[in-house]
Amino acid sequence: AQSVTQLDSQVPVFEEAPVELRCNYSSSVSVYLFWYVQYPNQGLQLLLKYLSGSTLVKGINGFEAEFNKSQTSFHLRKPSVHISDTAEYFCAVSVSNTDKLIFGTGTRLQVFP
Amino acid sequence: DAGITQSPRHKVTETGTPVTLRCHQTENHRYMYWYRQDPGHGLRLIHYSYGVKDTDKGEVSDGYSVSRSKTEDFLLTLESATSSQTSVYFCAIRDRGREGTEAFFGQGTRLTVV
Repeated sequence: AQSVTQLDSQVPVFEEAPVELRCNYSSSVSVYLFWYVQYPNQGLQLLLKYLSGSTLVKGINGFEAEFNKSQTSFHLRKPSVHISDTAEYFCAVSVSNTDKLIFGTGTRLQVFP
Repeated sequence: DAGITQSPRHKVTETGTPVTLRCHQTENHRYMYWYRQDPGHGLRLIHYSYGVKDTDKGEVSDGYSVSRSKTEDFLLTLESATSSQTSVYFCAIRDRGREGTEAFFGQGTRLTVV
């Protein structure tokens, strides 16, 4: 069965610093990968997705992620964070032979001034 | 915003009572999902549907049932609510499953079982 691991439950960072949120997945078949963001008391919204092609994917709000098949990773990065990026971030995987969308446990990004 | 409405948005219920949460979509998407969100666990899949009357279990389906009699509505029922089912419940819709399309989420229902 596929699974998603987000290694960091919380990531504190100062404003304008770079950040990386880590995500690893396990699957024996091809996958599609997603990053979602959840602001307080809201639902989830899509940041970016990897389906195929270029392994570097750019999303909204200046975020990007890199798919690394050999390391089964899909880490999310931003070169310079803002206070408004404070939120919870979820990595998700969809396996090509199922209809399920499986989420990781989330990483809470807190940006300090 | 994708046309997804969850109702109610908040509910407090007593242990042992049945509870039904509703998810309504206006996008005509084939796939609908119910997740629960709990601290430290992220989002866990309860049940999902891949068409009218077609449903399947997720990873935490015990104590929950679902029904989908129309494309636009997906109901989640807690047969006999327990305190462990206190959670925030999210509905999601998806146009296609295996082709990797993204899911769109509702605003969530906060359920408290006392």
